[in-house]
Amino acid sequence: SQQGEEDPQALSIQEGENATMNCSYKTSINNLQWYRQNSGRGLVHLILIRSNEREKHSGRLRVTLDTSKKSSSLLITASRAADTASYFCATSPTSGTYKYIFGTGTRLKVLA
Amino acid sequence: EPEVTQTPSHQVTQMGQEVILRCVPISNHLYFYWYRQILGQKVEFLVSFYNNEISEKSEIFDDQFSVERPDGSNFTLKIRSTKLEDSAMYFCASSWWSSGVGAEQYFGPGTRLTVT
Repeated sequence: SQQGEEDPQALSIQEGENATMNCSYKTSINNLQWYRQNSGRGLVHLILIRSNEREKHSGRLRVTLDTSKKSSSLLITASRAADTASYFCATSPTSGTYKYIFGTGTRLKVLA
Repeated sequence: EPEVTQTPSHQVTQMGQEVILRCVPISNHLYFYWYRQILGQKVEFLVSFYNNEISEKSEIFDDQFSVERPDGSNFTLKIRSTKLEDSAMYFCASSWWSSGVGAEQYFGPGTRLTVT
């Protein structure tokens, strides 16, 4: 697998349900960010989690990071139709690079 | 809340023409980046810029591309002679310090470049 792969690729749920998206990566990281992208639009920063953190919360969002498994998950609780978007993880490798490496994204559809 | 802005939102150009994409990063940020996203594909890193010079670039960022910070607020990406495969959404981002020490990168809304 490539650095930053999300699964599932697509997820369809009913409003009010929780949505969980997963991200796996290959190399050691400094931190990991989650972004949301509405169709054809810009990237909205959601949460950054550092490699020494295990969990972070922001409103209805909960992000976990397991560096031993090189994986992260994004949980959206009590989803709304407005949460319909693509969600990407982006990792900052420890190899001294400035870039973030983006995953392939999960397309979330929340049905009203 | 401060945000990264980009202009234009959509640019259509003919193959072989030069284009300049403009960005205004968040005012107290020191690091600036360009990424691109070809339709349906991943967001890809192009270049990072700090202290008026390129700090890192990807293999995509060849001699056709250049970046500049012409004044204290703007950050531009120039594509010298556009090709059809340059058609993509181009995102500018900025951060307070480098990603290596845990800075969030904030992205602009993007410029959709269409090369015909």
